[in-house]
Parts: sequence; C-alpha cells; structure tokens
Amino acid sequence: GNSVTQMEGPVTLSEEAFLTINCTYTATGYPSLFWYVQYPGEGLQLLLKATKADDKGSNKGFEATYRKETTSFHLEKGSVQVSDSAVYFCALNWNTGNQFYFGTGTSLTVIP
Amino acid sequence: DAGVIQSPRHEVTEMGQEVTLRCKPISGHNSLFWYRQTMMRGLELLIYFNNNVPIDDSGMPEDRFSAKMPNASFSTLKIQPSEPRDSAVYFCASSLKGGYTFGSGTRLTVV
Repeated sequence: GNSVTQMEGPVTLSEEAFLTINCTYTATGYPSLFWYVQYPGEGLQLLLKATKADDKGSNKGFEATYRKETTSFHLEKGSVQVSDSAVYFCALNWNTGNQFYFGTGTSLTVIP
Repeated sequence: DAGVIQSPRHEVTEMGQEVTLRCKPISGHNSLFWYRQTMMRGLELLIYFNNNVPIDDSGMPEDRFSAKMPNASFSTLKIQPSEPRDSAVYFCASSLKGGYTFGSGTRLTVV
C-alpha cells in the first residue's frame, strides 16, 4: 500500500544550522510528493511539492528533490531561522483530489 | 479567498455531550477531508467526501462519530456522546485536483 516514513523528532538546531529531514515513501507508480508545515496553533500549510521524478520543489529557502531510485523526498534548508520552528509533514498524493498519505511529522525547534 | 473556515476554534464540553464541528471549504473545491490530530497518533484521516459524497469513512473511530456534507459549501463532524479520549485537534481540508488547503482546526477538550 501507500505510506510515508519520515525521521523521528524532535529536532533541535541552532540558528543558521543546516537542516535535513528525511522522508521515504512506498507507493505504486508515480505519486506527487509534498512537504507541509504546521506552525504552533495553526493548520497545515503547503511548503513545497514535486510532481515527477527528479523534480525539485522549493520555497522559503527549503528544497526537496523527488528521487525515484531511492523513493525519497528529503527536506533541506541551508540556514534555519528561529521562525522555522514548526512541525513538518511529508506526504504523497495521486493528483486526483483524493486523500493524502501523511508521515507522522517531525518537530523542529530552532534556538537562537 | 478566506480559505477553509472551521468553527468553533475551541470547544470544551463534558463527557456524554454532543459535539458538532463545522467546516466551510474553499469555493470550487470538490473534495473535503476531516482529520484528527493527537500527540499519540499524529494526523489521522477520519473521512473524506468527493462532490459531497462520502468516499471513505474507514478512519471514523466509532459509531459515535458521524459526518455529513449536505452541500458543497458546508460539512459537519458530530460526536455523540463525546468521551475524554476524543480530545484532539480536528482539521478540515478541501482540495481540487490534489491541492490541499487546511483549516485552522478545532481544539476539542472533553472533560
């Protein structure tokens, strides 16, 4: 079946550190892949997405590349800020408007 | 566009009472989803609708939970009777062709 596995948190980094949050997926075919971010007290917001192999999604300094050979979609940012503190969810979807499959979320705290 | 609108933002109720959560999806979106988020279980899909029709309700935990979507602009999630273990944040999301937009959620506390 379809599933998403992402690294366990919580992750704590100092400001300006490099961030990687790993995400791998299990699916048949070629789903679209997403990263969502949830700031404290808010709903999930789309951060970035990639719809086919080798696509790179990017937004707000975050990047993730759709790697079909390793079934991965790792999230990276070169220099995190305190304002990046949030929970990050990896997800897959088949672009049909049907359900997303979410990972369990990774909590990130960035300290000054 | 005001986004997905959920009400109330917070709800505190006593065990055994009926609770109704409301959601207004983005106009034009044809799919609507109800999720529950807890520390223990993370984000769980409860039910989703396509074109107002329930497609998959396998995530609804018990018969105490029910959801309706009487028209394209409104959905409710009802819990009757409520129990303390139902305490969670309930999110509604709507989508069109794969683009999800979440509401801000309803934080439910059952005491």
